[in-house]
Amino acid sequence: QVHLEESGGGVVQPGRSLRLSCAASGFTFSTYGMHWVRQAPGKGLEWVTIISYDGNNKYYADSVKGRFTISRDNSKNTLYLQLNSLRAEDTAVYYCARDLNGYVPDYYFDFWGQGTLVTVSS
Amino acid sequence: SSELTQDPAVSVALGQTVRITCQGDSLRNYYGSWYQQKPRQAPVLVMYGKNKRPPGIPDRFSGSNSGNTTSLTITGAQAEDEADYYCNSRDSSGKGVFGTGTKVTVL
Repeated sequence: QVHLEESGGGVVQPGRSLRLSCAASGFTFSTYGMHWVRQAPGKGLEWVTIISYDGNNKYYADSVKGRFTISRDNSKNTLYLQLNSLRAEDTAVYYCARDLNGYVPDYYFDFWGQGTLVTVSS
Repeated sequence: SSELTQDPAVSVALGQTVRITCQGDSLRNYYGSWYQQKPRQAPVLVMYGKNKRPPGIPDRFSGSNSGNTTSLTITGAQAEDEADYYCNSRDSSGKGVFGTGTKVTVL
């Protein structure tokens, strides 16, 4: 069965960096686009970024563009999110999610991890 | 604009029908999707594309699309349907967008 598990969250000071990981299993990881979605405490969902199945195409929300970098290692079935220049407003639970439509993403998220909490605080 | 707007909260009596709507310009060009989120849980996909339900989602959930609006209807709401519901779409530049969310209370 499909399983996504995030890790790497924690407490970090403003301006510092963090790298999140998402370990995937139960499906052919290399044939699916993948997303990161975040949710600030008590707030709604916010789409963050997508990476194509082969890693060649990436798109970012304006709120993180230039600070966050998505990447993947298909040999390790793992998705990453590098968070740089962190701000208090980046505090959120970060979810990785699979795009339902395989090679050509439709932005339908059919499987989600349980999330990892990033807290940006001095 | 790629914003998606939802009513903040709706309530429905047990066994009755409720419709949640989501409006935004991107929905004129791309089908949206709907997610159910219960407290302290990850979201769950309940509807996507042209009114498609993922496996395991009860058929009391249905969807419709018209112009800049997508809707999710729960026919015969159950206590377990009480949750936050979010719509989602994308824009032509490759960015995704979520709606503002609707809290559904089952009375």
